Amino acid sequence: QSALTQPASVSGSPGQSITISCTGTSSDVGSYNLVSWYQQHPGKAPKLMIYEGSKRPSGVSNRFSGSKSGNTASLTISGLQAEDEADYYCCSYAGSSTFYVFGTGTKVTVL
Amino acid sequence: EVQLVQSGAEVKKPGESLKISCKGSGYSFTSYWIGWVRQMPGKGLEWMGIIYPGDSDTRYSPSFQGQVTISADKSISTAYLQWSSLKASDTAMYYCARLGLRFAFDIWGQGTMVTVSS
Repeated sequence: QSALTQPASVSGSPGQSITISCTGTSSDVGSYNLVSWYQQHPGKAPKLMIYEGSKRPSGVSNRFSGSKSGNTASLTISGLQAEDEADYYCCSYAGSSTFYVFGTGTKVTVL
Repeated sequence: EVQLVQSGAEVKKPGESLKISCKGSGYSFTSYWIGWVRQMPGKGLEWMGIIYPGDSDTRYSPSFQGQVTISADKSISTAYLQWSSLKASDTAMYYCARLGLRFAFDIWGQGTMVTVSS
């Protein structure tokens, strides 16, 4: 099972919106609405930001939103803030034999 | 507070065995799957496997099947990840995480750094 494909880096200025894509296949992203997104600051554990494609856990800012179209899921960060600078990973459920696959990760830089 | 607390950093030699732990608290440990995730230095996250502490049902990523063993002791709310013979390529940060919100890893441990070097 190959990793989901994400852009290596995305950047934006404070206040802008950015979108990170996560491309999989019809065996994972395309088959299940079970994509989650994680934020990881340097030296820290990942933090769940989005689950089930578009739902936010309690305490996560509504500046973070998720969506999916076909085999590609997306994470949008609106009103970009300095604290959003981190690595972001998508993850999809991929069925009862493979179970999970992570994305390659995207480094978000706030200019 | 719901949390997962992992055991401390380890430095081992190639060929040695190792078992690291992940202790859950603040929730019903036997009711949620626990997963293990590897992050090699400077690299991304890789899913290794999951275990259901309630009955020890375990599933492995094809990439890690046969390379590691995942287990749990529900009496002490602790999950484990173990190696029988470490390699230098096992050097990484290892995270445990609870599979909570609809197939998402909602609670993460702080990570255990494993260094394998001669």
